[in-house]
Amino acid sequence: DVVLTQSPVSLAVTLGQAASISCRASQSLVHRDGNTYLSWFQQRAGQSPRRLIYQISIRDSGVPDRFSGSASGSDFTLRISRVEADDVAVYYCVQGTEWVTFGGGTRVDIK
Amino acid sequence: QVQLRESGPRLVRPSQTLSITCVVSGDTVSRKGVTWNWIRQSSSRGLEWLGRTYFNSYWYNDNHPSVRSRVTMNGDASQNQFTLQVTSVTEGDTAVYFCARGGGKTGTELDSWGPGIRVTVSS
Repeated sequence: DVVLTQSPVSLAVTLGQAASISCRASQSLVHRDGNTYLSWFQQRAGQSPRRLIYQISIRDSGVPDRFSGSASGSDFTLRISRVEADDVAVYYCVQGTEWVTFGGGTRVDIK
Repeated sequence: QVQLRESGPRLVRPSQTLSITCVVSGDTVSRKGVTWNWIRQSSSRGLEWLGRTYFNSYWYNDNHPSVRSRVTMNGDASQNQFTLQVTSVTEGDTAVYFCARGGGKTGTELDSWGPGIRVTVSS
């Protein structure tokens, strides 16, 4: 299985400040079709995961542009540019290049 | 807009079979190029993909090796739903079970999820 290691496990951010979450893959996520199937999901308490970003950096419809994704090799980053109270959640990276596996999650709280 | 909703018993006895149905609206389970996935979430194992079913002239399944011998997935175009069965359950199968639609070229881009159903395995 592809292992996704997220860091940090949790972080507390001041409202309006930026937050970054890292996700490292145990192997390349470049598919033979040339795409990289790495997504980011947000899971608020008591809800199902909601996809924010797919293929590293493409935002889903309705996702604020405060959320952005990037990559460097097998290291992926989700950045929230100006954290709002509504962003309190657990964030997961998910790969779909070799079946589907999930990162362990990063909890974002407000400081 | 696609919507998915899981239903089934919340409590299952050990060694019995867990069975969950996912009813789909706003999309068709027999549409080619789309997969229908099962994922579970527990505090001990986090989020775990169990497998998927999809239609391409016939119904196909891809199950994760960790549960392959115990998991069956089926699609039902007449009811526009798909089902998950896990046999010989133990307390380790206690989790919230989600169904999700998969899209993209690989069918692994999980773009829409149901709200989930919490299933407890206990005697």
